[in-house]
Amino acid sequence: GAGVSQSPRYKVAKRGQDVALRCDPISGHVSLFWYQQALGQGPEFLTYFQNEAQLDKSGLPSDRFFAERPEGSVSTLKIQRTQQEDSAVYLCASSLVGAYSNQPQHFGDGTRLSIL
Amino acid sequence: QKEVEQDPGPLSVPEGAIVSLNCTYSNSAFQYFMWYRQYSRKGPELLMYTYSSGNKEDGRFTAQVDKSSKYISLFIRDSQPSDSATYLCAGSSGGYQKVTFGIGTKLQVIP
Repeated sequence: GAGVSQSPRYKVAKRGQDVALRCDPISGHVSLFWYQQALGQGPEFLTYFQNEAQLDKSGLPSDRFFAERPEGSVSTLKIQRTQQEDSAVYLCASSLVGAYSNQPQHFGDGTRLSIL
Repeated sequence: QKEVEQDPGPLSVPEGAIVSLNCTYSNSAFQYFMWYRQYSRKGPELLMYTYSSGNKEDGRFTAQVDKSSKYISLFIRDSQPSDSATYLCAGSSGGYQKVTFGIGTKLQVIP
């Protein structure tokens, strides 16, 4: 497809389980971002990749959160030992070029994660 | 204090009205300003993207940025029921474009 694709769209997990969320960016987009959007809030930055390099992970809330983009295309956000406060929509965005550019970000529809 | 402040609404207007949505920001390093529209259970969709101060018009939408007062506005003319959504304002200092969002304003256009 032409847009950013995320899977699964919905994920329910029990507290303490590990989850993996997938993002397929727009083809050819160098930059990839993960955001967390809590209910009634705006998206909050988690981490940024330029190709396969993770250049900024300052927004990851704890060491239970891990992201990778090994081949510079598809990215996976992994959350270990999930907690109820991890319940949120996880959004992925991509943009055409890398650092020191001004290309806007295009978002996927997100994965809605619910921790029971 | 959040870097981008936005009234969450909700804001209800009749069809055909002019809508004014506003945000303030505190980060002087912001150079790029965006408005995203988000429908329920969908991702944010880019509406307007502007650099520095000034106005930008696209169809029924006009974005204004006043860096001196750190004020961002979006105007929607001839509002339609399909404009009912949450509108997110955002700013970025450029570089690798880490974007900081407001909380979003929920807009309802009543037929």
